[in-house]
Amino acid sequence: QKEVEQNSGPLSVPEGAIASLNCTYSDRGSQSFFWYRQYSGKSPELIMFIYSNGDKEDGRFTAQLNKASQYVSLLIRDSQPSDSATYLCAVNGYSSASKIIFGSGTRLSIRP
Amino acid sequence: GAGVSQSPSNKVTEKGKDVELRCDPISGHTALYWYRQSLGQGLEFLIYFQGNSAPDKSGLPSDRFSAERTGGSVSTLTIQRTQQEDSAVYLCASSLAEGAGLETQYFGPGTRLLVL
Repeated sequence: QKEVEQNSGPLSVPEGAIASLNCTYSDRGSQSFFWYRQYSGKSPELIMFIYSNGDKEDGRFTAQLNKASQYVSLLIRDSQPSDSATYLCAVNGYSSASKIIFGSGTRLSIRP
Repeated sequence: GAGVSQSPSNKVTEKGKDVELRCDPISGHTALYWYRQSLGQGLEFLIYFQGNSAPDKSGLPSDRFSAERTGGSVSTLTIQRTQQEDSAVYLCASSLAEGAGLETQYFGPGTRLLVL
């Protein structure tokens, strides 16, 4: 079992709709959870991080964390073509808090 | 500088040659990470530095790979006797420290390595 799993996609969502990206992780002791966006040919950039169970909102983005289910998701409201990118979920390891494990990413395509 | 910088941005080398990749982290960031990303693939963790020491070298693919960090700042990743399978983008990231929010990693632009 991979430590951080994501559906590779591509996930196609119409412009203006809600895009839902999901991630599961294996280390029950993980404390920190991150979502990064990576455009083709570019480096990953942080969208947001979350530590507590529940929802965290930042503009059009909402991260949701459920530690009991070992599940973290990212919702993008009012999807725009500029949101088309690969979204990487990242989780820190309990045994080594500074070692961040990245999922392989979900490709998101927003169709006009 | 404002962000993480890496050099060179592109490197073409011949199989069997050694290469050195450099990373200059954000000023004040104590943690530094190296990753490798092959075309269309996810990030592969290579090594992590806290200050000048490397608590976790578990991701280095073989003994041809080594890295060092001096002065708690600049890091160099060295690949000896390069092979074609080493071709990838090598990404460096830095973070302020451990702890809630502090371990957020900021990435450099990467070095694109092509081994012929």
